Amino acid sequence: SQTIHQWPATLVQPVGSPLSLECTVEGTSNPNLYWYRQAAGRGLQLLFYSVGIGQISSEVPQNLSASRPQDRQFILSSKKLLLSDSGFYLCAWRPTAATEAFFGQGTRLTVV
Amino acid sequence: AQSVTQLGSHVSVSEGALVLLRCNYSSSVPPYLFWYVQYPNQGLQLLLKYTTGATLVKGINGFEAEFKKSETSFHLTKPSAHMSDAAEYFCAVSGSGGSNYKLTFGKGTLLTVNP
Repeated sequence: SQTIHQWPATLVQPVGSPLSLECTVEGTSNPNLYWYRQAAGRGLQLLFYSVGIGQISSEVPQNLSASRPQDRQFILSSKKLLLSDSGFYLCAWRPTAATEAFFGQGTRLTVV
Repeated sequence: AQSVTQLGSHVSVSEGALVLLRCNYSSSVPPYLFWYVQYPNQGLQLLLKYTTGATLVKGINGFEAEFKKSETSFHLTKPSAHMSDAAEYFCAVSGSGGSNYKLTFGKGTLLTVNP
């Protein structure tokens, strides 16, 4: 069966420090991958999605970047965190574009 | 382009009462529609989905939703609320077809169930 792993679960980082959040999917191949950010009262904001290795689409200009170095690995990064980067980050995957997405457990990022 | 509007950021019901969470969507192509539930500090879990066929879809935990194309709506209902239904609920839309990769969510509705 397919599973998605996202880590770490919580993270406290100082302003200006780098960030790397990792997400991996098991039990499938060539999934569509997504990074969402959730802020209170704002729902889920799509940050990036990827339909294949090295293919990244950015939805919102921001301080973050994403990479997909392997088929089932999706990484969210920042060179220098801002206070406004705080939030709950969710990784998700879809087996094809026409089905539901499956979510990881999320990472609570607090920038101090 | 696609978007989702969830009417009511917070809905409060009594245990045993009807639950109705509203969702309206906009999509330039025939939509696929989803409802997800989120418990505190957890990821999202799929409740139900509409892709094609029957417009009334049933999901887990006694929830159901009806796709109404003329009203561009996909409201979520449950006849009798249970305390365990207290959570945040998200409606989402995706275009149908293999090239529609974006999954767009509404802002969520927090459901409170009172004893």
